[in-house]
Order: sequence, then C-alpha cells, then structure tokens
Amino acid sequence: AQSVAQPEDQVNVAEGNPLTVKCTYSVSGNPYLFWYVQYPNRGLQFLLKYITGDNLVKGSYGFEAEFNKSQTSFHLKKPSALVSDSALYFCAVGASGGSYIPTFGRGTSLIVHP
Amino acid sequence: EPEVTQTPSHQVTQMGQEVILRCVPISNHLYFYWYRQILGQKVEFLVSFYNNEISEKSEIFDDQFSVERPDGSNFTLKIRSTKLEDSAMYFCASSEGVRALAEAFFGQGTRLTVV
Repeated sequence: AQSVAQPEDQVNVAEGNPLTVKCTYSVSGNPYLFWYVQYPNRGLQFLLKYITGDNLVKGSYGFEAEFNKSQTSFHLKKPSALVSDSALYFCAVGASGGSYIPTFGRGTSLIVHP
Repeated sequence: EPEVTQTPSHQVTQMGQEVILRCVPISNHLYFYWYRQILGQKVEFLVSFYNNEISEKSEIFDDQFSVERPDGSNFTLKIRSTKLEDSAMYFCASSEGVRALAEAFFGQGTRLTVV
C-alpha cells in the first residue's frame, strides 16, 4: 500500500527566509508525487507534481520540490517566504503499478511571521 | 479560472439522518472523486467515478455511502444513516484524466457535523 508521511504538524518561518515542508513516501512502483495547498475556507489547490524527468520541479507561487529517490522524499521549498504563504500544505503520492489515485498526508501548517 | 464548487459549505445533521453533499465538477472533466478529512487527520480517498459508475472505492466507502451524477453536471455523495464518526470535511474533486498525469481540482469542501 502506498503512504505519505509529513513529519511536521507545523512549520514556522520568518518572512523572507527560506522554507521547507517535508514529505516522505512509500510506494510500490514508480511514484507520482503532488503538493497541494489549502488556504482558509478554500479547497485544495494544486501546486506542483513530479511524474518523471528532472528531479527539481517548479510550481505555482514560486514553490519548488525536489524528488529524491534514495531518500524517498519530496520536500517542498521556497527561497523566500511570504506571509501570504501561510496555509495548510498536503503532500500526496500515487504510483504506477499501484493506485494512481493520490494518497494524501496529514498536512503541515505553514506559518510565516512578518 | 474554472473551479469545482460544493454546497453546502457546512451541514449539521442529527445522527441517523440522511445527508446529500453536492458538487459541480469542472465542465470538461470526466473523472470525479470524493475525499474526506476528519479533523486533524489526513485526507482520505473515498471513491472515484467515471462514465456513470464507480471506478474505485476505499474500505471507508461502505454501504451507507453512495454517489450519483443525476443530471450531467452535479455529482453527489449520499450518506444514508449518518454516524457521529462521519463528521468530517468532505472534498469533491475532478480531473480530465484518470491517470496521475492529470492533476485533480478540488472544491472548497463541505464540513459535515453529525450531532
């Protein structure tokens, strides 16, 4: 069975500093990896995905994520955080040979302080 | 930008009552999904729907749940006899393709509270 772990319930960062939201996964087969963001009272919004190719994936709002096969990780990063980035972030994984329907993590609350 | 819309945003119901959660997927999408998130827990897959039938469902999606696309635009989730543990945020999603290459677009969710 495929699974995702987001080890941090909350990440705090000062505005202007780099941010990282961690995600590790477990699948059989090749992983398809996603990041979604949820702002208050809004649905989940797609940020970026890794299917194949370059390990560094760039997405919306200046976010990027790096696929690391040996560490089975797909951490979300941004070089300079904004207060408006404060939201709930979800990592999700699907797999070729497994269920293509993404399995989500519990989510990490990102708080960016002015 | 096209979006998935869900109604109502919040529903309170008594235990044992039936509820219907409604979703309008993006118009050219062919695949539809329901997920739920119990407070403080992970987002869990319930069911996927394509070509007017369920294509995949999780163990959570038991006989008390059903889905329907009654009129070509709405996609509904019915819970026949609600239990306290059904209290959660329910998300509808749609995508152009079934494979993970096509990212899903999610609605804003319906918060269901069973009392």
